[in-house]
Amino acid sequence: QVQLVESGGGVVQPARSLRLSCAASGFTFISYAMHWVRQAPGKGLEWVAGISYDGSTKYYGDTVRGRFTISRDNSKNTLYLQMDSLRAEDTAVYYCVRSGPVIEGSFYVYWGQGTLVTVSS
Amino acid sequence: EIVLTQSPGTLSLSPGERATLSCRASQSVSSNYLAWFQQKPGQAPRLLIYGSSSRATGIPDRFSGSGSGTDFTLTISRLGPEDFAVYYCQQYGRSPQTFGQGTKVEIK
Repeated sequence: QVQLVESGGGVVQPARSLRLSCAASGFTFISYAMHWVRQAPGKGLEWVAGISYDGSTKYYGDTVRGRFTISRDNSKNTLYLQMDSLRAEDTAVYYCVRSGPVIEGSFYVYWGQGTLVTVSS
Repeated sequence: EIVLTQSPGTLSLSPGERATLSCRASQSVSSNYLAWFQQKPGQAPRLLIYGSSSRATGIPDRFSGSGSGTDFTLTISRLGPEDFAVYYCQQYGRSPQTFGQGTKVEIK
């Protein structure tokens, strides 16, 4: 069965960096676009970034563009989110999501359990 | 960026009642790439509807979606006790792939 397991969350100081990972299993990872979606405590869902099946195309939300980098290693079935220049407002649960074969036009069926990132001094 | 506005913010209903949730987009959603999710506390969102009106695998037929262009609706025909949750719409046709702010369906 499809499994997405996020890791790398924790407490980090403002302006520092953190890298999240998402280990995927139960499907052919290279065939699917992947996304990161976050949810601040008590708030709604916010799409963060998406990446094509081969890593050649990447899109970012306005609030993270220029600070976050999405990437993937298809040989390791792993999705990453490099987060730099972190701010208090980046505090959230970060979900790894599998969509379909393309970034745009594919809906989200599978979500990980999420990893909490807390930005605080 | 396509902004999605959901209404109402909170819906107070009794089990067995009908729930009607609205999602309005600031621009036309391409190819009706509009999805609905249900989220319960401490859980990841669960896909209910995709393509505006197609039910995801395993979703009961009391959930239905409709709409096109800029106006979309999620209807729950008869609320079961497990349906009290927060519901989000999302457009996935154009990046950034935005979500609405959510509608909470609570027990009256």
